Amino acid sequence: SQQGEEDPQALSIQEGENATMNCSYKTSINNLQWYRQNSGRGLVHLILIRSNEREKHSGRLRVTLDTSKKSSSLLITASRAADTASYFCATEGNTPLVFGKGTRLSVIA
Amino acid sequence: ETGVTQTPRHLVMGMTNKKSLKCEQHLGHNAMYWYKQSAKKPLELMFVYNFKEQTENNSVPSRFSPECPNSSHLFLHLHTLQPEDSALYLCASSQNGGLEQYFGPGTRLTVT
Repeated sequence: SQQGEEDPQALSIQEGENATMNCSYKTSINNLQWYRQNSGRGLVHLILIRSNEREKHSGRLRVTLDTSKKSSSLLITASRAADTASYFCATEGNTPLVFGKGTRLSVIA
Repeated sequence: ETGVTQTPRHLVMGMTNKKSLKCEQHLGHNAMYWYKQSAKKPLELMFVYNFKEQTENNSVPSRFSPECPNSSHLFLHLHTLQPEDSALYLCASSQNGGLEQYFGPGTRLTVT
């Protein structure tokens, strides 16, 4: 299926450390997106990377995409307690966006 | 979140009730979506509307009935639901399919 799978399922780090989350998928895609969700709230779009791009930056976020391995990573640098949330990758290909199960990130002050 | 609003934010209903969820987007987008988010399960796409026309129905039971009267409004009519339908129902919109989606805050539905 096109569904992305995030790894790890949960991640706990100290404030100031970097957090890396990975996403793997199975079919060809047009783009891959990362979203953030605070507990019980709507998702917020973070960044979109197209299939012909390899790396993209936005503030403290860095996203990479390797289409040959069908994988992506999201790096959050210098994490803050406010970064505590669930992070989802979503792939867009022949079907509308398909979301993974997410990585639950906890940043401890 | 102010770009996409959802009402009500919380809803408790019995299995024999009929209720409706409302979504409104103020972003001028032409595509709207309904998702279901249950605990420990991936976000599930339910319906997609493009220019008020339904373009995707992801094998959703008929007890969920969507309505899109115009590009800015989307409803989800609920009747004779089951307890397993309890979940967070999220609405989203996008300018075109495939681009980033903007989500509402969701309606937390509990079916008793």
